[in-house]
Amino acid sequence: QKEVEQDPGPLSVPEGAIVSLNCTYSNSAFQYFMWYRQYSRKGPELLMYTYSSGNKEDGRFTAQVDKSSKYISLFIRDSQPSDSATYLCAMSANGQNFVFGPGTRLSVLP
Amino acid sequence: DAGITQSPRHKVTETGTPVTLRCHQTENHRYMYWYRQDPGHGLRLIHYSYGVKDTDKGEVSDGYSVSRSKTEDFLLTLESATSSQTSVYFCAISEPDTQAFFGQGTRLTVV
Repeated sequence: QKEVEQDPGPLSVPEGAIVSLNCTYSNSAFQYFMWYRQYSRKGPELLMYTYSSGNKEDGRFTAQVDKSSKYISLFIRDSQPSDSATYLCAMSANGQNFVFGPGTRLSVLP
Repeated sequence: DAGITQSPRHKVTETGTPVTLRCHQTENHRYMYWYRQDPGHGLRLIHYSYGVKDTDKGEVSDGYSVSRSKTEDFLLTLESATSSQTSVYFCAISEPDTQAFFGQGTRLTVV
C-alpha cells in the first residue's frame, strides 16, 4: 500500500461544476497537508496549506482534513477551464519531507 | 516561481555519463529538495538538505548524490546515468513548518 493514495482520474467536468478531489493516507503522524496544482510542463504551485484537521477556504477552493479517517479533500466551486490541470496532494509529519500523491488530472470543459 | 532557478531546463545525455543538475534559490530558505516525477508515481523525494553541507537521502536516492556548499545552491549529480533516470526533476525549497515552493523542472533524457 502506498503511503498516499489519490484518485488517478482523469476527471472531466462541465464548466461551473463543483469538483471534489480526494486523498487517503496511512501515516497517522502526518499533520501538514497541502494541495498543489500543476499545469502541463510546469512546476507544482501551492493552492492550499492546512495544519491538522479542519476546513480552510480560499476563494473558490476549500480544503478539508479529517485526520480520524486519514482523508483529505479539495473542493473547487464554479470550476473554470483554467482549472484544468493535475492536482497533487502532499503531506508531512514534521513540516519537511513532503510525501506526494500521484496526482489527479482534471479537465473542465467549456 | 518563489525565486528558484533550475538549470539546465532540458538535457539529453548518453548512458554511463555523469550529469549534474543545479538548483539556485534567492529566498534564503533553509531546506532544499530534489524530486523526480514519473507517470503513475507522482513526485518522489531523491535527496534533501537542511543546511549547508547537511544532506540526507530520500525515497529513491540510489544512483544520485547531492552537494550543498552554499545556502543558495543545491546540486544533484547522476554519477553514471541510466535510462531509468529519464525523468522530470524538480527542485523545491521550504522553511521549517511551511509549504514547499517548486522550480520549473529539468527534463532529462538518458539515451
